[in-house]
Amino acid sequence: GAVVSQHPSWVICKSGTSVKIECRSLDFQATTMFWYRQFPKQSLMLMATSNEGSKATYEQGVEKDKFLINHASLTLSTLTVTSAHPEDSSFYICSAAEIKPQETQYFGPGTRLLVL
Amino acid sequence: DAKTTQPTSMDCAEGRAANLPCNHSTISGNEYVYWYRQIHSQGPQYIIHGLKNNETNEMASLIITEDRKSSTLILPHATLRDTAVYYCSHYGGSQGNLIFGKGTKLSVKP
Repeated sequence: GAVVSQHPSWVICKSGTSVKIECRSLDFQATTMFWYRQFPKQSLMLMATSNEGSKATYEQGVEKDKFLINHASLTLSTLTVTSAHPEDSSFYICSAAEIKPQETQYFGPGTRLLVL
Repeated sequence: DAKTTQPTSMDCAEGRAANLPCNHSTISGNEYVYWYRQIHSQGPQYIIHGLKNNETNEMASLIITEDRKSSTLILPHATLRDTAVYYCSHYGGSQGNLIFGKGTKLSVKP
């Protein structure tokens, strides 16, 4: 099956710093990538949809200036958490869909962020 | 709003079949049903998907009711490594995204 990678797998940072998370589709081209956040013992919550070459679409309540998303190529999308605070500590997961959004989505392994 | 409904948790004896139900009554006629599972602290893993017909692959079988309002994922011979949270899903989100409910926590026991 298709493989999606994320880097880093975990990160610890100080409050106020910015953290960049990369999501790559390794063996297919993804026109659409999705970013999710998951708090302990909860389901996945969609943050934004990222389309190659265009601005991301954010879910209601997700601050676009705080969670910067860039989808510069068909295999790479990045999520930058700017001025991170302890409440941003969470498990961030990306997924990628090949060609069309209604195709099967494949998820990355996730990035665990801890903001001190 | 589109949503899915699954039992919160289920137990299954190792080697026995695990049958996980899902209600997706808001699914549209051309939307596939997808099943994923998430093992602790990992990203969701794709299992299987289907539209109308029953489907089978090396991981599981998927039974979809004729009215498509519900489906059942079947793990024919559950192993301890199948312990995970199982999500059924379909593309019902506002951004054309998969929607996820709370999933079913399947515990496979020796």
